[in-house]
Amino acid sequence: KQEVTQIPAALSVPEGENLVLNCSFTDSAIYNLQWFRQDPGKGLTSLLLIQSSQREQTSGRLNASLDKSSGRSTLYIAASQPGDSATYLCAVGANFGNEKLTFGTGTRLTIIP
Amino acid sequence: GAVVSQHPSRVICKSGTSVKIECRSLDFQATTMFWYRQFPKQSLMLMATSNEGSKATYEQGVEKDKFLINHASLTLSTLTVTSAHPEDSSFYICSASGLYEQYFGPGTRLTVT
Repeated sequence: KQEVTQIPAALSVPEGENLVLNCSFTDSAIYNLQWFRQDPGKGLTSLLLIQSSQREQTSGRLNASLDKSSGRSTLYIAASQPGDSATYLCAVGANFGNEKLTFGTGTRLTIIP
Repeated sequence: GAVVSQHPSRVICKSGTSVKIECRSLDFQATTMFWYRQFPKQSLMLMATSNEGSKATYEQGVEKDKFLINHASLTLSTLTVTSAHPEDSSFYICSASGLYEQYFGPGTRLTVT
């Protein structure tokens, strides 16, 4: 059974700093890995999707990497802003594509102005 | 981009009543939809996989007679919480399977009094 863990559970950093969120998974036979953002009481916003054959994806100030063999992914946020404050979830897709996602425990990020 | 809607966004019901939540893919057809549940300060947990024209597949520990899922068309799946109890109060999120990834709805906040 796939298990996804995110460390740390909560993180507070001053505005402007670069930061890294970590995600680890136990079964390396994944189809893809996705990072989401969730604001309090809201649904999910997809940030980056990495296919199993890819090593990283970038969008603006965000960069996600994937090391499938070691079961790890990182989300790098550059020049953090107060608007980045949210909970960040990673999720791994099963081997056959478009199958169920297993979500991580989440990291609650607070950017201090 | 692919849009998924949910209705209602919030619902309050009395204990013992049933509540129906709709999940629609607005601009694409989805043969598979997923239903997730999220308790406060926790991550998303998959409840069931809904396939158009066939019975839903429920995750271990999810009562299929309590959480009725109907996927009658390629753009609509419904989740009915029958005989709701306060412990069913949660945030319910659906997703629809696209070509390469899942697209998530905005969620429904259910409160059972």
